[in-house]
Amino acid sequence: GESVGLHLPTLSVQEGDNSIINCAYSNSASDYFIWYKQESGKGPQFIIDIRSNMDKRQGQRVTVLLNKTVKHLSLQIAATQPGDSAVYFCAESEGGYGGSQGNLIFGKGTKLSVKP
Amino acid sequence: DVKVTQSSRYLVKRTGEKVFLECVQDMDHENMFWYRQDPGLGLRLIYFSYDVKMKEKGDIPEGYSVSREKKERFSLILESASTNQTSMYLCASSSGQEPLYGYTFGSGTRLTVV
Repeated sequence: GESVGLHLPTLSVQEGDNSIINCAYSNSASDYFIWYKQESGKGPQFIIDIRSNMDKRQGQRVTVLLNKTVKHLSLQIAATQPGDSAVYFCAESEGGYGGSQGNLIFGKGTKLSVKP
Repeated sequence: DVKVTQSSRYLVKRTGEKVFLECVQDMDHENMFWYRQDPGLGLRLIYFSYDVKMKEKGDIPEGYSVSREKKERFSLILESASTNQTSMYLCASSSGQEPLYGYTFGSGTRLTVV
């Protein structure tokens, strides 16, 4: 079946460095992708999203890159801070909606640890 | 601030008890979802609903049921709790309309069945 996966289950970076979290997806029909951040004891929080008609989107200190050719998604965090320590999930949807036209399919997550 | 509220952060229940997990959203979203989250298994969809009084099975519905009598409220019911239902339960909602912002999640309910 279709799945969303991650290349690395854990990532440790030095404070101030840039972080890159990767995600592979297998459904070529997926056209909407989201990154979520989940801090310990909390629910996932939306970080940034991207549609398949884009290959890059930037937010505040975060950038999402989409490579449809190899079905790869990445989240880049600039100047990583201790508050960025969390589990990061990618999610994909077919149909362009996070709702009735296509439920989100979540990856298992990457744990980011930031060393002071 | 828009919100998805889960009624309990922590619950401890006995095997065989009937358990209700409540979720309320204040965003007028049509779609609501229940997930469970276990280490190494990620988020697994239990049930979802696209409208009042409507429900659809997700990937792991066995041992669960749901109720959506009002648009803002989506309840997850464990008919007879078992120890393998010990987990973190997450409720989410989405509008399914433009603009797209994916799902908004609640803070989760950590359920322990003893």
